[in-house]
Amino acid sequence: QVQLQESGPGLVKPSQTLSLTCTVSGDSISSGGFYWTWIRQHPEKGLEYIGYIYHTGTTYYNPSLKSRATISVDTSENKFSLTLSSVTAADTAMYYCTRDRIGSMAGVWMTWGQGALVTVSS
Amino acid sequence: DIQMTQSPSSLSASVGDRVTITCRASQTIDNYLNWYQQKPGKAPNLLIYKTSTLHSGVPSRFSGSGSGTEFTLTINNLQPEDFAMYYCQHSLRNLYTFGQGTKLEIK
Repeated sequence: QVQLQESGPGLVKPSQTLSLTCTVSGDSISSGGFYWTWIRQHPEKGLEYIGYIYHTGTTYYNPSLKSRATISVDTSENKFSLTLSSVTAADTAMYYCTRDRIGSMAGVWMTWGQGALVTVSS
Repeated sequence: DIQMTQSPSSLSASVGDRVTITCRASQTIDNYLNWYQQKPGKAPNLLIYKTSTLHSGVPSRFSGSGSGTEFTLTINNLQPEDFAMYYCQHSLRNLYTFGQGTKLEIK
């Protein structure tokens, strides 16, 4: 059974770069078949799709992030990462990693990490 | 972007009740509509995908219906563990978006 675990600093200063990693167990990212995805949830607010990476390195990003987001993959470590540059208080959120199967089940998230809370504050 | 609008934003009900939550899409999304349940401090949990298919392990008191732009989540015989936040989400194509959520509270 696949499990996802987010990790990274819980506090980031404004204008700096947020970095999170999602470690995957129970499945191999390099086996293909899934998009490895980041989603965030602002405090007391709704959910926002950030983007995904495929094991080949193909990525997609939510245009609302205005090129600040980068998702990368390390297949040797079986993990994928999110960096978000030039953060502001508006980037304070719970960040979740998840996966969805390519094809007709794309965008259906059956497995989620437990989330990593990131606060942007000086 | 496809906008997803849920109603109501909050709902009070009692154990044993039947409740319905509505989700409307700003354009047709065929049957690419999913429902998630979220409890405090937890990640969202997939309930229903492709409008009406129950995810593995989800009780049969949950059901989904609709097509095009209007969809519903129905919970029959509410149980104490059902009081939570519910979100709809379209998966027609990138960019995926969520509804703003419905808080189901105990009356």
